[in-house]
Amino acid sequence: DGGITQSPKYLFRKEGQNVTLSCEQNLNHDAMYWYRQDPGQGLRLIYYSQIVNDFQKGDIAEGYSVSREKKESFPLTVTSAQKNPTAFYLCASSTSGGEQFFGPGTRLTVL
Amino acid sequence: AQSVTQPDIHITVSEGASLELRCNYSYGATPYLFWYVQSPGQGLQLLLKYFSGDTLVQGIKGFEAEFKRSQSSFNLRKPSVHWSDAAEYFCAVGAYGYSTLTFGKGTMLLVSP
Repeated sequence: DGGITQSPKYLFRKEGQNVTLSCEQNLNHDAMYWYRQDPGQGLRLIYYSQIVNDFQKGDIAEGYSVSREKKESFPLTVTSAQKNPTAFYLCASSTSGGEQFFGPGTRLTVL
Repeated sequence: AQSVTQPDIHITVSEGASLELRCNYSYGATPYLFWYVQSPGQGLQLLLKYFSGDTLVQGIKGFEAEFKRSQSSFNLRKPSVHWSDAAEYFCAVGAYGYSTLTFGKGTMLLVSP
């Protein structure tokens, strides 16, 4: 089955610790995206990558970092510099036409 | 700057009744428009999309949407709502190709018996 996987589904971390969220796709899509979702805020773009070894900041990149070493993988690191990291994180990939497909999400709770 | 407005935060509809969710957008070029649906704690699923052609587009689960350029709107409709349609709905706009999308803040649909 082709799709996007995100792991883990739930993640708990202590304040001040960095944490990495996994995103893998087997759709052979070139572009991948990370969004943050908070209640009543919709989706806000953190980072995106259109090709391997290249990525751009989105609207709320501060306190986050990414890498894109392989086409199928786009991990997101939430660093200790992110002031309010507790949120639902969604990964997506897109076709050349622009239609985005989403993973099931990771809920991060910082204690 | 591009933006999407979904004026209704919550909408309650009786099961079997018709539904219309509103979406207004601001975009400088030819817009590529989407509607997505999200169940609690899940990812987003694409309902339908519009880039060009017939301004009335059909999607999955019996949904349709109409693009009205003069009103900068892309409203989502369904003639008869089922209890399983209760979810949050997001409208999004972007450009055709490798482009970022701008999402509205969502409309939560509640379905009453």
